[in-house]
Amino acid sequence: EVKVVESGGGLVQPGGSLRLSCAASGFTFSNYPMTWVRQTPGTGLEWISSIDNTGGYSYYPDSVRGRFTTSRDNSRNALFLQMSGLRAEDTAVYYCAICMSVTCRAGFGPWGPGTLVTVSS
Amino acid sequence: DVVLTQSPLSLPVTLGQPASISCRSSQSLVFSDGNTYLNWFQQRPGQSPRRLIYKVSNRDSGVPDRFSGSGSGTDFTLKISRVEAEDVGIYYCMQGTHWAWTFGQGTKVEIK
Repeated sequence: EVKVVESGGGLVQPGGSLRLSCAASGFTFSNYPMTWVRQTPGTGLEWISSIDNTGGYSYYPDSVRGRFTTSRDNSRNALFLQMSGLRAEDTAVYYCAICMSVTCRAGFGPWGPGTLVTVSS
Repeated sequence: DVVLTQSPLSLPVTLGQPASISCRSSQSLVFSDGNTYLNWFQQRPGQSPRRLIYKVSNRDSGVPDRFSGSGSGTDFTLKISRVEAEDVGIYYCMQGTHWAWTFGQGTKVEIK
């Protein structure tokens, strides 16, 4: 069964850092680009990062570029999201998902169950 | 960023009746490779989103054929030919043509 499971969420103070992980199983992880998407009640779904299958290229929207860094370890079938300079508006459920095309343009799936990040003092 | 505007935002439907959701883009979604990267996702209550339709009209494996996608350029539609109870949830369109990829605000489908 193809599966991805996020972990590492929690409560963090504004300006703080957090590292999310995503454990993948049931497919050849090193063959697939991966992505992170977050969801808030107020702003819905927001794409925040994708990374190619080798880990050599990652890309971000302006809202997180320079603060968030995506990486992967293909030997461990793991995806990571390092978040720094966290703000209240980064509070969300964070999902990892498999890109369904080489460029990720055709969308994502399957998605994990998500991990909640709360930024608050 | 490209803005995707979905309508309606709430869609009460009678079981067995059709449903239609519109997604309009602020820019054409035709990419330089000739493809149109407009995708649809379903999020059932308490679940993570899952992709239903990719590149306008291609159904994912396991998606019932009562779901169909259509459209071109800036106007797209997701149709459910006969709504079933398991179709309750929020439906999102998403564009992968222009950086940064964006989602519509979601349409909540519920049973009358």
